[in-house]
Amino acid sequence: NAGVTQTPKFRVLKTGQSMTLLCAQDMNHEYMYWYRQDPGMGLRLIHYSVGEGTTAKGEVPDGYNVSRLKKQNFLLGLESAAPSQTSVYFCASSWIPRNEQFFGPGTRLTVL
Amino acid sequence: EDQVTQSPEALRLQEGESSSLNCSYTVSGLRGLFWYRQDPGKGPEFLFTLYSAGEEKEKERLKATLTKKESFLHITAPKPEDSATYLCAVQSLTGGGNKLTFGTGTQLKVEL
Repeated sequence: NAGVTQTPKFRVLKTGQSMTLLCAQDMNHEYMYWYRQDPGMGLRLIHYSVGEGTTAKGEVPDGYNVSRLKKQNFLLGLESAAPSQTSVYFCASSWIPRNEQFFGPGTRLTVL
Repeated sequence: EDQVTQSPEALRLQEGESSSLNCSYTVSGLRGLFWYRQDPGKGPEFLFTLYSAGEEKEKERLKATLTKKESFLHITAPKPEDSATYLCAVQSLTGGGNKLTFGTGTQLKVEL
């Protein structure tokens, strides 16, 4: 089992460009999450999904959109990237009813 | 609003020198408290979940304990490979979707 995988691992964007981050999990988890991690801020939840076809806003959703068309995939989109979105992005997934979340390796995004 | 504070921010130990990391929390009803380990450039790795005051869990040189206001991660006779950032997170009974609130972590360095 690969667990949680993320693509790409690194990306550099110019302000105003768009991109999509892909998260995939092979553990048949119902719940999936997108976090961002910034120095001194800890991990902050962007959006999450409680099942295929559902999404919900987290703590810092502005400037991001998500989709969960298939149970195993969770996509994070940036429509018009801004320097404030420079961060490391982590995807995670979890079972029901177990609560621990399993994290992917992260995507390091720089917006110039 | 759920809050998690971890201390110290950084800790340097000699190999074999036992110590404890602290995680203080405020939450509107605790569903669970989670400890993760994060190595540089990687995603958080799940260590423990604690659900109620008085509960303890152990894994190799690590032992996690929980009270109504804080959790401790005790490291006994640490080795250099224990060097990492340790993250604490809480999940509230009122939060939907298994959302976690993370602290900013304790960066542990174990030296020979």
